[in-house]
Amino acid sequence: GAGVSQSPSNKVTEKGKDVELRCDPISGHTALYWYRQSLGQGLEFLIYFQGNSAPDKSGLPSDRFSAERTGGSVSTLTIQRTQQEDSAVYLCASRYRGSFNSPLHFGNGTRLTVT
Amino acid sequence: GESVGLHLPTLSVQEGDNSIINCAYSNSASDYFIWYKQESGKGPQFIIDIRSNMDKRQGQRVTVLLNKTVKHLSLQIAATQPGDSAVYFCADYGGSQGNLIFGKGTKLSVKP
Repeated sequence: GAGVSQSPSNKVTEKGKDVELRCDPISGHTALYWYRQSLGQGLEFLIYFQGNSAPDKSGLPSDRFSAERTGGSVSTLTIQRTQQEDSAVYLCASRYRGSFNSPLHFGNGTRLTVT
Repeated sequence: GESVGLHLPTLSVQEGDNSIINCAYSNSASDYFIWYKQESGKGPQFIIDIRSNMDKRQGQRVTVLLNKTVKHLSLQIAATQPGDSAVYFCADYGGSQGNLIFGKGTKLSVKP
């Protein structure tokens, strides 16, 4: 079946511009996550949506970062006034959150380059 | 704070040999652990998971061992193949069902 889809796969932007990254989770998955991965590094948690609950924004690095999830499905991560240190791969993941823990399923990410 | 880390950043093995990738965790409340494989240019791919009520779980050519006493888990890959070359991450939810916490990863290189 279809996995997590992210677009665009690559984005090059100039410093100071705003960017929007899109994530289409697996159908029926109630939880959606955004992570950031810098070159050669592990995954840094950014934000987590679960159903209609308020999102966990504890990982967002600054107020330039925001995300929304419309209709409990598609999510958009927005970075305003991009800086060079924002260059990274932004990964989206989803899972069905039930009574027991379950693994996240990841998309292939959006590689963001800020020049 | 909680953390999930790895003992070795790189591992090089001969094709056909077995590979062992280790991981330590710090949160004793962690009750579910996952191993991911990440190939270049792709997102992490689920390999195998284990719950804390188990010590061992086997998949196809992979085995995960969990030692709760020393808060350590390992991923064993049997008869390692060139296609196994990737970065491997362990991860856990830190005892909750919220944020999945990842270690920095071990890069596995398979020599033909």
